[in-house]
Amino acid sequence: GENVEQHPSTLSVQEGDSAVIKCTYSDSASNYFPWYKQELGKRPQLIIDIRSNVGEKKDQRIAVTLNKTAKHFSLHITETQPEDSAVYFCAASPGSYKLIFGSGTRLLVRP
Amino acid sequence: DAGITQSPRHKVTETGTPVTLRCHQTENHRYMYWYRQDPGHGLRLIHYSYGVKDTDKGEVSDGYSVSRSKTEDFLLTLESATSSQTSVYFCAISELFRDKGKYGYTFGSGTRLTVV
Repeated sequence: GENVEQHPSTLSVQEGDSAVIKCTYSDSASNYFPWYKQELGKRPQLIIDIRSNVGEKKDQRIAVTLNKTAKHFSLHITETQPEDSAVYFCAASPGSYKLIFGSGTRLLVRP
Repeated sequence: DAGITQSPRHKVTETGTPVTLRCHQTENHRYMYWYRQDPGHGLRLIHYSYGVKDTDKGEVSDGYSVSRSKTEDFLLTLESATSSQTSVYFCAISELFRDKGKYGYTFGSGTRLTVV
């Protein structure tokens, strides 16, 4: 089945710097790759996603890139702010509307 | 939003006892999911459902069973709880976010289960 690996497990950046989180997947049939943000004590929430027919997608300070050949995708956050501090999860969908998640990255933005 | 609720929010139970967690949604969504969240493991799929009485296993289904006798309810049962099943359990549905024009998961608030 699908396996998603996510790195790094923790990331600390200075406010205003960029943050990059990387994920790899194993199932070449996966075609949908969302990213979720989970603030402390809350439920995960969808922040951005990308489909396999697109290489890059942006939404304000957040962008996601996908390399299908290499089976990896990344989340880029620019001009980080303290409110970006959270746990971020990547996921891949191998079909049947299922999502297989990575292990998460705890992002800390230092003021 | 799907109007998805989980119950109970917190539960402490003893090893060997059966436990049932409930997920309830109000908007007739077809797909429902149960995940568990543990430090270092992220969110792992336990079981999912694609309709009434239609369910399938996920990544970590051993020791868990599910039932969906009505569209709105998806139940997760731990047949005989063990300490390794201490976790936060999230229910999710797949829905169309009309304001964003795309499908995504909406998660419930989670159930924190402690097996002692």
